[in-house]
Amino acid sequence: QLLESGGGLVQPGGSLRLSCAASGFTFSSYGMYWVRQGPGKGLEWVSAISPSGTQSDLADSAKGRFTMSRDNSRNTLYLEMNNLRVDDTAIYYCAKGGSSGYYFLNNYFDPWGPGTLVTVSS
Amino acid sequence: EIVLTQSPATLSLSPGDRATLSCRASQSLSNTYFAWYQQKTGQSPRLLIYGASKRAAGIPDRFSGSGSGTDFTLTISRLESEDFAVYYCLQYVTSPYSFGQGTNVEI
Repeated sequence: QLLESGGGLVQPGGSLRLSCAASGFTFSSYGMYWVRQGPGKGLEWVSAISPSGTQSDLADSAKGRFTMSRDNSRNTLYLEMNNLRVDDTAIYYCAKGGSSGYYFLNNYFDPWGPGTLVTVSS
Repeated sequence: EIVLTQSPATLSLSPGDRATLSCRASQSLSNTYFAWYQQKTGQSPRLLIYGASKRAAGIPDRFSGSGSGTDFTLTISRLESEDFAVYYCLQYVTSPYSFGQGTNVEI
């Protein structure tokens, strides 16, 4: 199971830290991901992190502003978001890699958490 | 960056009909790192198909995936009421991951 938290209303230029608590599987064995969905829009991949946390990757829209990390001792995933913009408004989902045997950048997402809403507005 | 284009945008069908959803990639996917998701209103996406043609755990056999290269298809053999939803394709061959824009299967 995955459960996101930390969403809310923030002004443009502000910061938020999202968390995703994982349970029911060996967290440290799987790549993890953040995917977002703007209001009435499609899905957009945001970031990925390797099982150990030593490697990560970000979408261009997130580079320089977002940082993804994980704490395997706490079974928790994080997304630190700075300099937020109005177009970052979205539901942010965390997702688990579908297979522990795949390289983290060649893995599908399964399952997904219920999501947390981030609203960037003045 | 690989762009995925889904067609049609909307599919209007009735229960019992066959649904054929398409997803075309802007470049050939060298491996079948391709998935399909179903999303119902107010819910998070659910994995249906991975590896282009492998059904995820618990997915009914009326859902099937096929394709390779640049053209991929999701087929729902006989639509049931709970299948009316938005469907997205995903490529995970290379970063950045990309999704199609979605196909809305409506009654």
